Amino acid sequence: DTGVSQDPRHKITKRGQNVTFRCDPISEHNRLYWYRQTLGQGPEFLTYFQNEAQLEKSRLLSDRFSAERPKGSFSTLEIQRTEQGDSAMYLCASSLGLAENTGELFFGEGSRLTVL
Amino acid sequence: GQQLNQSPQSMFIQEGEDVSMNCTSSSIFNTWLWYKQDPGEGPVLLIALYKAGELTSNGRLTAQFGITRKDSFLNISASIPSDVGIYFCAGLNFNKFYFGSGTKLNVKP
Repeated sequence: DTGVSQDPRHKITKRGQNVTFRCDPISEHNRLYWYRQTLGQGPEFLTYFQNEAQLEKSRLLSDRFSAERPKGSFSTLEIQRTEQGDSAMYLCASSLGLAENTGELFFGEGSRLTVL
Repeated sequence: GQQLNQSPQSMFIQEGEDVSMNCTSSSIFNTWLWYKQDPGEGPVLLIALYKAGELTSNGRLTAQFGITRKDSFLNISASIPSDVGIYFCAGLNFNKFYFGSGTKLNVKP
């Protein structure tokens, strides 16, 4: 399977713990995105990378959230000192960014976080 | 952020019926995408539209990119039970994809 893969698929943690999610994009895709989705809502943009550079971060991404894409391939999203409000599905997606404002976004299966 | 309004929020239809849903925005987009999401899974891309006025089909699905570039619609013809799910529109601007809140489709066999 050469699609976007995310790990873990499910994570249950206690409030105050740190969690890390990993995303492996489609191999030739240079853009990688993180979204958060809560029940009944569409995906909300968190951040995106072009190769290893993090080009934009949403105001939704508090100081407790950090994302990296060290070699321009896989990416990690870490949440420190988790809160119950962090419970959501975290979606990773990738795109082959050949030109501005064109492209298709392909999603992974998501990582569902439950904070108790 | 840029808001996309999808309607209807949910639909209940009989198997075999045609379905239409749409997405509007106050902002202009250069690319419109339509996705389907099943419970517990990530959204799956159905159709991508790149030009104002463009009409594109993918099997029983047809989508159009509005002339004003501020709207798009998706039609599903002859619905079947596996069409059940949540359909999202997305618009692309400045390398960011913005999503609507979805149309939940229920199909009665």
